[in-house]
Amino acid sequence: KAGVTQTPRYLIKTRGQQVTLSCSPISGHRSVSWYQQTPGQGLQFLFEYFSETQRNKGNFPGRFSGRQFSNSRSEMNVSTLELGDSALYLCASSLDRGFDGYTFGSGTRLTVV
Amino acid sequence: AQSVTQPDIHITVSEGASLELRCNYSYGATPYLFWYVQSPGQGLQLLLKYFSGDTLVQGIKGFEAEFKRSQSSFNLRKPSVHWSDAAEYFCAVGPIEYGNKLVFGAGTILRVKS
Repeated sequence: KAGVTQTPRYLIKTRGQQVTLSCSPISGHRSVSWYQQTPGQGLQFLFEYFSETQRNKGNFPGRFSGRQFSNSRSEMNVSTLELGDSALYLCASSLDRGFDGYTFGSGTRLTVV
Repeated sequence: AQSVTQPDIHITVSEGASLELRCNYSYGATPYLFWYVQSPGQGLQLLLKYFSGDTLVQGIKGFEAEFKRSQSSFNLRKPSVHWSDAAEYFCAVGPIEYGNKLVFGAGTILRVKS
């Protein structure tokens, strides 16, 4: 079966711009979680969506937002980009509580200049 | 608060040697534990997971891990390392709180000497 698809793979944006990243989960998975990975902070949880509802949110500013569509695809948006937002953004999909494991996409590498 | 500690930032082993990567967790209830591997510029691949039952779990690529509740540890092992195992390894605990939040350790970078 197809894995988790994240688009685009790479992005270069300028400070102050906004960006939208997309994640298509494995077919049948209704949970999508987002993580930010940086060399300094490691892997940090952004938020999780299940059946179009945000179930949990990490400790990130309001510039980071997301949503989930009825087909379980999810997008995250970062507004007013800062240099510190440069990171690898990973999404993970799973069935409800993830007891079957969490499958990650290859990520979107965002560079803010 | 829930946390995961991977004490070793870097580990170097010779090809063919055995490997053990350490992971300690702090979690109030019965933990669900995971090991993931990440190659440069790639996403995370699940190696193995522990939910309950047998404390020695087998994973892909010849990896295994042992859950020790008394030591709050979930160490990853491989009897004979291959050059292709060079990557970064992450231990994680979850799901945390309501939903599917995972808490990750800082990772251990494995280098393999030929």
